[in-house]
Amino acid sequence: GQQLNQSPQSMFIQEGEDVSMNCTSSSIFNTWLWYKQEPGEGPVLLIALYKAGELTSNGRLTAQFGITRKDSFLNISASIPSDVGIYFCAGPGYGGSNYKLTFGKGTLLTVNP
Amino acid sequence: SQTIHQWPATLVQPVGSPLSLECTVEGTSNPNLYWYRQAAGRGLQLLFYSVGIGQISSEVPQNLSASRPQDRQFILSSKKLLLSDSGFYLCAWGRQGDEQYFGPGTRLTVT
Repeated sequence: GQQLNQSPQSMFIQEGEDVSMNCTSSSIFNTWLWYKQEPGEGPVLLIALYKAGELTSNGRLTAQFGITRKDSFLNISASIPSDVGIYFCAGPGYGGSNYKLTFGKGTLLTVNP
Repeated sequence: SQTIHQWPATLVQPVGSPLSLECTVEGTSNPNLYWYRQAAGRGLQLLFYSVGIGQISSEVPQNLSASRPQDRQFILSSKKLLLSDSGFYLCAWGRQGDEQYFGPGTRLTVT
């Protein structure tokens, strides 16, 4: 089945630093989604990308849909303590059901104040 | 706007007891509905999804079942809980091949 490889698995950074994480797939995706999950809560959709090469921002967050359609990147600028959480990439299933998403295993972000 | 509710928020149940978790969505009609489980750690495991009333697709054979008695209601059940059923259960709604929106989750501890 499809797999999304998300890296890094975890990051420990100082407040104010910039963060970069990425997600790669062995197959082409037509949509890339980025979620954030805070402790004890459900994931929240941050950014949705629909076109190869698309660059979309949401406040201090910027995500890009890779040109090859097999990868996506999420950057967080000037991190703050409330950025702590797990960040997931996801995309719709390919070659099978259109109703399911494939999720990466997440990047755990810790921000030291 | 759409809202998704889950209850209870937390649950502690003994091994062998039954389970019923409920999810309801407001502000949309005929949504696709999903149940995920997240074990300690991080990965999201899809358990069931439904594209309409009475239509349930199971992803992982296990001790759980799902039902969709109404358009915006999704229920996760078990007749006899196992220790391995402990985890964080998430309900989500979405559209075909597109974004999904998650509920607040239910933390289940089986003792």
